[in-house]
This record gives sequence, structure tokens and C-alpha cells, in this order.
Amino acid sequence: QSALTQPPSASGSPGQSVTISCTGTSSDVGGYNHVSWYQQHPGKAPKLMIYEVSKRPSGVPDRFSGSKSGTTASLTVSGLQAEDEADYYCSSYAGMGLWVFGGGTKLTVL
Amino acid sequence: QVQLVESGGGVVQPGGSLRLSCAASGFTFSSYGMHWVRQAPGKGLEWVTFIRYDGSNKYYADSVKGRFTISRDISKNTLYLQMNSLRAEDTAVYYCAKAGGEVTPYAFDIWGQGTMVTVSS
Repeated sequence: QSALTQPPSASGSPGQSVTISCTGTSSDVGGYNHVSWYQQHPGKAPKLMIYEVSKRPSGVPDRFSGSKSGTTASLTVSGLQAEDEADYYCSSYAGMGLWVFGGGTKLTVL
Repeated sequence: QVQLVESGGGVVQPGGSLRLSCAASGFTFSSYGMHWVRQAPGKGLEWVTFIRYDGSNKYYADSVKGRFTISRDISKNTLYLQMNSLRAEDTAVYYCAKAGGEVTPYAFDIWGQGTMVTVSS
């Protein structure tokens, strides 16, 4: 049960796009389309932003999108806004009733 | 509205025990799987354990297997986490999270506000 690999930080200016990667193995990200992404502001609980690789829950802006290629999933935030500054975590189902999270990426809006 | 409220956190000595609770409201508790996820101070999220909607199966991260037990009481709409043989590395905010429904069964779609557990002498 090793954590998924995310870059510790990412940044972009307002209006720009930024992509955060999430690398796993064939046992988790590569083996299932059950990748989800969470946004966490300081001192707050995480919030579901993307599920099943690329689907958005109701209420999540369409500026947020997800994709996957092989063992790497990605979250793209387009048209960056100040309120997007937060920590982002990926998660993947890993089979046998187990889940794994990434180490998290701190997104800074310059 | 859909809500999860954790309680039971506190300070406990190494080797001690603690039971966390998560009160659910606003949805049919008996129809959904439930998770516990923790976050050590300044660190990332770590999945801890999952229980199926009917309590028939329970799954644990290697880091807590044999020490933690997840359970649920449908009559009280409450999820529990019994934590025994606590270690310093168990210090974290513990969140309960609802598994998604038919469309999002593998995602954590609703989270509680968390309860802090500190293991220290």
C-alpha cells in the first residue's frame, strides 16, 4: 500500500491552466478507472472534485477536469482563480477493498 | 442536509485505546459504505479503513490492521472506529467519509469535519 506520487507543489497565474499529476502502479491507478481528486483548504475537510477519472460532481466548476494515461492520472484546473489555491489529493481504488491517496500537491495562485 | 459529525478524539497515552464516533444524517445510512481517513499534522491524507453498507466486510490499511476495528450501528446512524494499542504515529485528524452511491461507489463524496487524536505521554 504505497502512496501515489504527486508533485509537492504547483503554481499558476490567474486565468492560466495548471495540471497536477498522480502516478501509481498497475495495481491501482493503472488497473482501475476509480481515480478521484479532492480539494482541501487549510483547516477544512477535503471536498470531492473529480471521480471515476474525469467525472465532476454536481456543483464543481467545469474548470476542473481529469484524465488518465496508463498509471498516471492528471487534474487540470483551467482559468485559475484565487479560490482554487488549496491542497489537492488524488486517490485510487487498489483492489481487495483497499484505497490509496497521493501525497498531496499545494496549488499556489500567483 | 447530508452531514457527518465526528466525536471522541482527545489525548491518549501510547498503548492506550480510544473510540471515535461519526453521526450520520440527511441520507439513508444503511445504504452506503463508510470510510475512516486520517491526516497527521502537516501531512497528507491516509486511508484507514472501509466498511460495506451492510457491515458484511471490513478492510484495513496495513498500518492499523489488528489494532483498529471499524463498525456501524444502523439503529443509531453511527459509524465507529475502535483504536487500540495506539502509537505516536497514529496522531492525526480522523475524518469519516461516506462512499459514493451507484455512480460514485469508489469515491469519498461526503466528509465530516474531523476529530483530533493525539497519542503522547
